[in-house]
Amino acid sequence: DVKVTQSSRYLVKRTGEKVFLECVQDMDHENMFWYRQDPGLGLRLIYFSYDVKMKEKGDIPEGYSVSREKKERFSLILESASTNQTSMYLCASTGRTGWLNEQYFGPGTRLTVT
Amino acid sequence: DAKTTQPTSMDCAEGRAANLPCNHSTISGNEYVYWYRQIHSQGPQYIIHGLKNNETNEMASLIITEDRKSSTLILPHATLRDTAVYYCIVRVARVNDYKLSFGAGTTVTVRA
Repeated sequence: DVKVTQSSRYLVKRTGEKVFLECVQDMDHENMFWYRQDPGLGLRLIYFSYDVKMKEKGDIPEGYSVSREKKERFSLILESASTNQTSMYLCASTGRTGWLNEQYFGPGTRLTVT
Repeated sequence: DAKTTQPTSMDCAEGRAANLPCNHSTISGNEYVYWYRQIHSQGPQYIIHGLKNNETNEMASLIITEDRKSSTLILPHATLRDTAVYYCIVRVARVNDYKLSFGAGTTVTVRA
């Protein structure tokens, strides 16, 4: 079974803090993704990575950065957290032909910025 | 990618089949139909996908009409654990295009 794990289920941070969200997958997948999910807006892609040290911007990259130093790990960084970044953050991964097949999602991190 | 229309919510009795409709009247020839679901407070879970033929796996069956303008996801024997939001997504399967766009979905409640 594919497993995608995220470092925290719930996180509360203050405005201006630097926030790290970590994601690890155990299926040797090439591609990893960070999404955020908000009521009424659905799932929106923030960044994705198709290989170690490679990254591509998604639809809403502003205010975020990512890091992929190892194949199994993909980190999302909020450089200076703001209240409009309060959201559910979802990590996903997929293999080389994942553009055709399924993406596997982690359980999500519910981040609250106060 | 083509737009999809799903009912906002539906109820289903435990042990009965749940039939979830999805309209995608603007679908083009190279677009696939995907279904995911999201149980409360969890990440989305892939269910099934298809192009034009009907598909079946251990979770569900996907029936696509001949004109491909609509499809139905069938959960053959719904259980309480199938209570979730179900998303129908239509997208082109393009090499290196991984974007998934989830709409509002259908909230399915399975009742004992």
